[in-house]
Amino acid sequence: NAGVTQTPKFQVLKTGQSMTLQCAQDMNHNSMYWYRQDPGMGLRLIYYSASEGTTDKGEVPNGYNVSRLNKREFSLRLESAAPSQTSVYFCASSGLAGGPTDTQYFGPGTRLTVL
Amino acid sequence: AQSVTQLGSHVSVSEGALVLLRCNYSSSVPPYLFWYVQYPNQGLQLLLKYTTGATLVKGINGFEAEFKKSETSFHLTKPSAHMSDAAEYFCAVIKRSNDYKLSFGAGTTVTVRA
Repeated sequence: NAGVTQTPKFQVLKTGQSMTLQCAQDMNHNSMYWYRQDPGMGLRLIYYSASEGTTDKGEVPNGYNVSRLNKREFSLRLESAAPSQTSVYFCASSGLAGGPTDTQYFGPGTRLTVL
Repeated sequence: AQSVTQLGSHVSVSEGALVLLRCNYSSSVPPYLFWYVQYPNQGLQLLLKYTTGATLVKGINGFEAEFKKSETSFHLTKPSAHMSDAAEYFCAVIKRSNDYKLSFGAGTTVTVRA
């Protein structure tokens, strides 16, 4: 099993450009998440998908959109990138048993710089 | 929103010494509690979690944490630090409802001195 995979690993954008971060999991998990990590702030939830076909906003959704393409894949889109979106982005998945206490498994992250 | 406070952004310990990382939450109803570890340039990995039952929870790599409701705390300890414990550690909570949203503390970076 590869677990949770993310592409790309690194990306540099100019202000106003758009891009999509890809995430896939091969653990048959129901729930998937997107977080951003900024120094001194821990991880903050951007969007999550509790199950295929549903998505919900997290703590910091502004400037982002998501698509739960199927059970395996959950993408994060920046329509018009801003320097404030410079961050490390992590995708996670959970939920063989179902429920909030299921362990979340994290991908290796995407380091995004917006100039 | 849940609030999680980790006291100390950096902790330095000698190899073989006790590791103690502090975490407090602010909620009238105790949430589910988690500790995650992040090694350099990697994603997060679950160390341990408290959901119900015994308040002393044992995790991977010799770590354990104790839930103390009266102190609203969930401190993480390891009796003897190893060089491989150098990493960033995050305390996180989920409120006790059908809520999947993890709220993280700011993190504590641990360095281990030889």
